[in-house]
Amino acid sequence: SSELTQDPAVSVALGQTVRITCQGDSLRSYYASWYQQKPGQAPVLVIYGKNNRPSGIPDRFSGSSSGNTASLTITGAQAEDEADYYCNSRDSSGNQVFGGGTKLTVL
Amino acid sequence: QLQLQESGPGLVKPSETLSLTCTVSGGSISSSSYYWGWIRQPPGKGLEWIGSIYYSGSTYYNPSLKSRVTISVDTSKNQFSLKLSSVTAADTAVYYCAREGGQTVTIKDAFDIWGQGTMVTVSS
Repeated sequence: SSELTQDPAVSVALGQTVRITCQGDSLRSYYASWYQQKPGQAPVLVIYGKNNRPSGIPDRFSGSSSGNTASLTITGAQAEDEADYYCNSRDSSGNQVFGGGTKLTVL
Repeated sequence: QLQLQESGPGLVKPSETLSLTCTVSGGSISSSSYYWGWIRQPPGKGLEWIGSIYYSGSTYYNPSLKSRVTISVDTSKNQFSLKLSSVTAADTAVYYCAREGGQTVTIKDAFDIWGQGTMVTVSS
């Protein structure tokens, strides 16, 4: 079982804002990274650190954290944002761990 | 531009050892700033970190897989490898290799570059 908990599914209307959350005690000590995965493709890093985007990631993607919860926010969701999203951080022993993933549907 | 490519058998028999190699191109695996990791994804399921290695050979593994996993590095070939022993059908998955940010870079702890993945089926 994952030490990072995500909602299995979230939906958002086209152009609206959606927040995807990730909960875990270790998030009080470590930042979460976020990955987007489309069917048949490898995951792509979209957010890392406090709130950093790799080159090429649109600025509608942002990250935040409060207490034991990390969040990925998509402001103005686009059809191409429909994908699975995974959070990733470290557990209490410093090992890498992934959340169970959230399937985002853009309506 | 750094690229990673997994290679190895797509079919492994139960109880045998799964062996995969990740070849790094466009950059050196001997960078002091990064680890190199293996992650897998069973069909229709989420991502699971298997373990990571530093160019010096230092490793750390997922505790749930540690007894069966060995990750090694060959800096002369710019490759790192995964061996998973005593496989069962539960080890059927897409296996990814990825670059993991070390403590001295801004992407620390994150997996910023991934291979395309390779499907491994465990079946007799």
